[in-house]
Amino acid sequence: QKEVEQNSGPLSVPEGAIASLNCTYSDRGSQSFFWYRQYSGKSPELIMFIYSNGDKEDGRFTAQLNKASQYVSLLIRDSQPSDSATYLCAVNDYGQNFVFGPGTRLSVLP
Amino acid sequence: GAVVSQHPSWVICKSGTSVKIECRSLDFQATTMFWYRQFPKQSLMLMATSNEGSKATYEQGVEKDKFLINHASLTLSTLTVTSAHPEDSSFYICSARLGQINYGYTFGSGTRLTVV
Repeated sequence: QKEVEQNSGPLSVPEGAIASLNCTYSDRGSQSFFWYRQYSGKSPELIMFIYSNGDKEDGRFTAQLNKASQYVSLLIRDSQPSDSATYLCAVNDYGQNFVFGPGTRLSVLP
Repeated sequence: GAVVSQHPSWVICKSGTSVKIECRSLDFQATTMFWYRQFPKQSLMLMATSNEGSKATYEQGVEKDKFLINHASLTLSTLTVTSAHPEDSSFYICSARLGQINYGYTFGSGTRLTVV
């Protein structure tokens, strides 16, 4: 059974701080990793994806991947109240197996 | 960007009736469509995978006779909840893979189903 784990939170950070969201996965064959943001009552929207070990930056977001440790994280710099949402980690092995984690609820306090 | 249009966005129906949810890929061909269900404060649960022109593959525990999936074209997939009951009330979301290389999945806007 392939598993993706996340801390359910809520993770509370003050406005302007860095929010760090973590995700671990069980399948060493996983090849691609995604972060989605889901606002309450809405469907998930893709924030970014990463394939290679290391960091990938896109605006205020940085994804970090460590395949040896089976760990992927998302950093949100200069957090804003509008970043308050549930963040879903998803893992894929280039096949049909696309597994979502349970999500971490982030609350950015003004 | 690639868009999946999902309708209706919400529906209220009486117990025992059937409800159809449509998902259309607007600017790309969705060979494969995925259907998820999400209960309040829970994560997405994959219900079934539908491939154009063939029968859907259902996840364990999902009743194929209750949740009818049709994927007759490369741009349209439908989910019909038959004989709906209050426990079927949930948020249903479709999603399609983007392109041949897996750049991720794009999601429809979701359908909030309430069965009374």
